Amino acid sequence: DTEVTQTPKHLVMGMTNKKSLKCEQHMGHRAMYWYKQKAKKPPELMFVYSYEKLSINESVPSRFSPECPNSSLLNLHLHALQPEDSALYLCASSPRRPGMNTEAFFGQGTRLTVV
Amino acid sequence: DAKTTQPTSMDCAEGRAANLPCNHSTISGNEYVYWYRQIHSQGPQYIIHGLKNNETNEMASLIITEDRKSSTLILPHATLRDTAVYYCIVRVGAGGSYIPTFGRGTSLIVHP
Repeated sequence: DTEVTQTPKHLVMGMTNKKSLKCEQHMGHRAMYWYKQKAKKPPELMFVYSYEKLSINESVPSRFSPECPNSSLLNLHLHALQPEDSALYLCASSPRRPGMNTEAFFGQGTRLTVV
Repeated sequence: DAKTTQPTSMDCAEGRAANLPCNHSTISGNEYVYWYRQIHSQGPQYIIHGLKNNETNEMASLIITEDRKSSTLILPHATLRDTAVYYCIVRVGAGGSYIPTFGRGTSLIVHP
């Protein structure tokens, strides 16, 4: 299994809703990441987990709350989002921790629309 | 942090080689160069990486100059499916991290 699986593929939510994005990998990777990508822009790093611990938070607003319940699963909890948060949310994982020479494997993303 | 400079866009005829350049003049001696690509509406895809020697895999070849200040990604026989944004990345961040940090990249269009 060489995949990073993200669910759902598409999500529409209201500004008062609470929803969660899910990311799963079964490659034994110990580093996992969340990115946000707006249209026609490069992906922007949001969070990094290394060995299930949050190691980097790129000053992301608290309405985005990451969680890493185990080494295979990464969640992104969403609450009180704004329309400008509409974007493609990408998850990635790496076989080695970020300080080491390592490639990253990306999921296909969740297309989020906030109405 | 080593910075990279890539052309904004390039085009290539199908079946021909696509040569995508990247300048990384501030790269340190132990920093690797990574290449990723992102096909429209998909997640980025790892292509190849290298340190000093030229590298080849089933997707592409990576040529790194002897002074390591630049590199070229070569897609030997480009197809329409190679149309994508290509990102050249070197180690960034305090303590040296290989977490992919994307610049604008090069938009490659392969035409029939």
